[in-house]
Amino acid sequence: GENVEQHPSTLSVQEGDSAVIKCTYSDSASNYFPWYKQELGKRPQLIIDIRSNVGEKKDQRIAVTLNKTAKHFSLHITETQPEDSAVYFCAALIGMGGGADGLTFGKGTHLIIQP
Amino acid sequence: ETGVTQSPTHLIKTRGQQVTLRCSSQSGHNTVSWYQQALGQGPQFIFQYYREEENGRGNFPPRFSGLQFPNYSSELNVNALELDDSALYLCASSSGPGSYEQYFGPGTRLTVT
Repeated sequence: GENVEQHPSTLSVQEGDSAVIKCTYSDSASNYFPWYKQELGKRPQLIIDIRSNVGEKKDQRIAVTLNKTAKHFSLHITETQPEDSAVYFCAALIGMGGGADGLTFGKGTHLIIQP
Repeated sequence: ETGVTQSPTHLIKTRGQQVTLRCSSQSGHNTVSWYQQALGQGPQFIFQYYREEENGRGNFPPRFSGLQFPNYSSELNVNALELDDSALYLCASSSGPGSYEQYFGPGTRLTVT
């Protein structure tokens, strides 16, 4: 089955700096890669996603890049703010026309924004 | 916030007991997936329901079972509870084939003693 590795496990950056979280996946059939943000005691919140037919996607301060050849994808957050502090999870999915399989998640990155 | 709801919020059970967790999907969504999230870990896929049938399953034993109803709501049942079943159980809904975005509910925190 699919395996997703996520690094780093903890990332501390100064407010206003950029943060980058990286993930690798094992199954070349994976074609959908979402990122979730989970604050303490809350549900995972979908913040951005990318499909395998696209190399990069941006939404305001957040961007995701995908390298299908190397089987890795990354989350980039620019101009970090205190409210960006949370645990971020990457995930991969093998989407099929008749329905989708489950998401395989990485172990998470605890992002700490230092004031 | 998503329109996905779950009940109950918290639950305490004894080892060997059985538990039923409930999930209502977001309006317009006909697919429900269940995940188990242990403390400090990412969610792990249990199974998915589409059109009232199990549509995919992760690496969980048969004592984890589920149902989906005509209104697309869903139940997760766990029999013969073990201490390691203590976790946050999340359901996620999506709008079905061709739409991969999954939106999570707030979860049910299950503690097995």
